[in-house]
Amino acid sequence: NAGVTQTPKFRILKIGQSMTLQCTQDMNHNYMYWYRQDPGMGLKLIYYSVGAGITDKGEVPNGYNVSRSTTEDFPLRLELAAPSQTSVYFCASSYSDTSTEAFFGQGTRLTVV
Amino acid sequence: GQNIDQPTEMTATEGAIVQINCTYQTSGFNGLFWYQQHAGEAPTFLSYNVLDGLEEKGRFSSFLSRSKGYSYLLLKELQMKDSASYLCAVRDGDYKLSFGAGTTVTVRA
Repeated sequence: NAGVTQTPKFRILKIGQSMTLQCTQDMNHNYMYWYRQDPGMGLKLIYYSVGAGITDKGEVPNGYNVSRSTTEDFPLRLELAAPSQTSVYFCASSYSDTSTEAFFGQGTRLTVV
Repeated sequence: GQNIDQPTEMTATEGAIVQINCTYQTSGFNGLFWYQQHAGEAPTFLSYNVLDGLEEKGRFSSFLSRSKGYSYLLLKELQMKDSASYLCAVRDGDYKLSFGAGTTVTVRA
């Protein structure tokens, strides 16, 4: 059972470059989330989705875009990378109608230089 | 927006008990979660509360009071491996899941 899979695990980007962080879950969860975590800090919500075709902004959406064309996939797009986007990114998923927790991917460590 | 507060750091001795408090203000409420996160790793689930009261799970217990916007995580019989960051998270009325800044617990021998 794969759970939540994030790729890549590590990436170095130059300022102004673009990239997509991939997130896939095989648990048929309807809710999916993207967080960033700066060193020594908590998780900040970037975007979330309550189902295919629906996305909403979280706390810190600027500089990012998402799409949710299928239940399984929730990619996060950085269009013009900036040093302030250096962080660890976590994707998570959960059911909406039961008392289950959000399951996390292993994270993507992104450095923008 | 959400407002979730928890202490920054706590230190305790091996074998002791530590209580981590969390207060929150959200638009609607659909559950409160506690996660453990070791340095460099993803958060892992510890407990879930949606009704008032105490949920016990081995050495870990979590309490919720919805009227007070308050929860705590109780760690008993502390072990060195419990040294980690503990994250309080609240799912609001729109099912948005927001996290507090985390409490770093250091267990000393």
